Amino acid sequence: QKEVEQDPGPLSVPEGAIVSLNCTYSNSAFQYFMWYRQYSRKGPELLMYTYSSGNKEDGRFTAQVDKSSKYISLFIRDSQPSDSATYLCAMMGTPLVFGKGTRLSVIA
Amino acid sequence: NAGVTQTPKFRVLKTGQSMTLLCAQDMNHEYMYWYRQDPGMGLRLIHYSVGEGTTAKGEVPDGYNVSRLKKQNFLLGLESAAPSQTSVYFCASRPYGQGLNNEQFFGPGTRLTVL
Repeated sequence: QKEVEQDPGPLSVPEGAIVSLNCTYSNSAFQYFMWYRQYSRKGPELLMYTYSSGNKEDGRFTAQVDKSSKYISLFIRDSQPSDSATYLCAMMGTPLVFGKGTRLSVIA
Repeated sequence: NAGVTQTPKFRVLKTGQSMTLLCAQDMNHEYMYWYRQDPGMGLRLIHYSVGEGTTAKGEVPDGYNVSRLKKQNFLLGLESAAPSQTSVYFCASRPYGQGLNNEQFFGPGTRLTVL
């Protein structure tokens, strides 16, 4: 079993939709959880960073961690074409453990 | 701050040729990483370094070597390039420790094609 599982998609939604991206993980020692966003032909950039269980909101983005289920989610409200990118979840370790990424397209 | 920079941005090699990819960071980060990214495979760690003069193998180290002679630079070498090494290579760096201030920064990538 891989340490982090992430549905690769691709996921295509209409503009304005609510998007849910998810990852599951196996190592219960993980405490810090991240979401990176990667635009086409660019390097990944940190989008959200959460510690332990709970929710964190930043504008249209909400990151959710459920440590009891070893499940993390990223919700995007009122999705925009500019949100079209690949989203990678990551868990803090040395080195970081990444999911394979979910490719999202938001259609105008 | 330039952040993480990578040289070159693009390169085409013939099978058997050698080359070195250079990564530089100006954030005084302890940790540096080399990844390759292929369609459907996600980011795969090649080698990493936890400080000047140290290196360690990642998930896919075969066919690559690295050196970290200076804290700000991390070099990735291909001694005899193979078509299977055609990929996009990303360098990354982050500060020592774990926590909310330990963001990992990525470079813009190097697109390598081996014919």
